Amino acid sequence: GDSVTQMEGPVTLSEEAFLTINCTYTATGYPSLFWYVQYPGEGLQLLLKATKADDKGSNKGFEATYRKETTSFHLEKGSVQVSDSAVYFCARYNQGGKLIFGQGTELSVKP
Amino acid sequence: GAVVSQHPSRVICKSGTSVKIECRSLDFQATTMFWYRQFPKQSLMLMATSNEGSKATYEQGVEKDKFLINHASLTLSTLTVTSAHPEDSSFYICSARDVAGGANQPQHFGDGTRLSIL
Repeated sequence: GDSVTQMEGPVTLSEEAFLTINCTYTATGYPSLFWYVQYPGEGLQLLLKATKADDKGSNKGFEATYRKETTSFHLEKGSVQVSDSAVYFCARYNQGGKLIFGQGTELSVKP
Repeated sequence: GAVVSQHPSRVICKSGTSVKIECRSLDFQATTMFWYRQFPKQSLMLMATSNEGSKATYEQGVEKDKFLINHASLTLSTLTVTSAHPEDSSFYICSARDVAGGANQPQHFGDGTRLSIL
């Protein structure tokens, strides 16, 4: 069935380090892909999206490229900040129109 | 950008109380809204899909008589947790999708409601 798999956390980095959070998906067709971020005690915020193969979504220094050949949508940032500490969710819609989430990856950035 | 307002942000009440949570899309119309439940350190679990002007669609295992959903307008859905008990304590989050955007548009989420039943 349709699924989204993320790398397990928590991920702990020092400030200004390079970030990669892996996300792979199984799908029929080419669904839109999303990254959401959840700060402590809050709901989810849309971070970026990509709607078709080879699209690159970007926002606030984060990027992710829709790669159909590897069915991946890895999240990257060149230099993380303490304020980036949060839980990150990769997501896509299934054929029934429901949003399927990965299990979430907790990122902790230390000064 | 699209904004979804969820209220209240936190509720603490006694067992047996019914609690209503509101979810509003502030700058767009949403024929469909979604209610999720999130346990600590876990991903979101879809509870139900709220459809404007019709009955909600509940996920398997979610009690419709326990979690009453009303979607009376294109900008408001409510979730009522009836006769809440301690096991209903959780973080509840709503989301909405802009009707004008098409099926692949992102969902926009509220800030969540932390429900604590004593």
